[in-house]
Amino acid sequence: NAGVTQTPKFQVLKTGQSMTLQCAQDMNHNSMYWYRQDPGMGLRLIYYSASEGTTDKGEVPNGYNVSRLNKREFSLRLESAAPSQTSVYFCASTPGGQPYEQYFGPGTRLTVT
Amino acid sequence: AQSVTQPDIHITVSEGASLELRCNYSYGATPYLFWYVQSPGQGLQLLLKYFSGDTLVQGIKGFEAEFKRSQSSFNLRKPSVHWSDAAEYFCAVVRNNAGNMLTFGGGTRLMVKP
Repeated sequence: NAGVTQTPKFQVLKTGQSMTLQCAQDMNHNSMYWYRQDPGMGLRLIYYSASEGTTDKGEVPNGYNVSRLNKREFSLRLESAAPSQTSVYFCASTPGGQPYEQYFGPGTRLTVT
Repeated sequence: AQSVTQPDIHITVSEGASLELRCNYSYGATPYLFWYVQSPGQGLQLLLKYFSGDTLVQGIKGFEAEFKRSQSSFNLRKPSVHWSDAAEYFCAVVRNNAGNMLTFGGGTRLMVKP
């Protein structure tokens, strides 16, 4: 049981390049989330998917898009990377419904130069 | 707006000493509260959670937290800290709309002196 997996672990982009961060969970969870972590700011929600087929904006959605490909996978896309998007990105999942704990992936460290 | 405040950015304690990490929240209704721990280079792991009932909750790794409604606080405690407890700790509150969304505090980095 792998839990929540994320690829890649590290990535360096130049300003204006695009990339997709991949996330998958094998716990049959309904809800999935993308966060970014910046020093002193905790984790901030970028987008979430309460269930397969739905996505909604979180606190900091600008510059990002998401796709809930199926129940297992939830990807985050940066269409035109900016230095302000340098951060550590975490994917999480939860069964949905009640406020269950969220299970986090190991993170992707992204640097935009 | 809902917010979570962790007043201490860094805390250093000696191994074997007691620990208390502070968390305050602003929220109009009964909150659902969580403490997560993040070891260097790792994802977040749940330590404990409070939904209702007994205001003193026990978690993993010997941690506990007490919910105090009158003080809007949910402080994390451990009687005797181990060197392996060095990590960053996050308090979080779930939002009351659909989606089970967490709002996190800024985190407290714990360092443990031998």
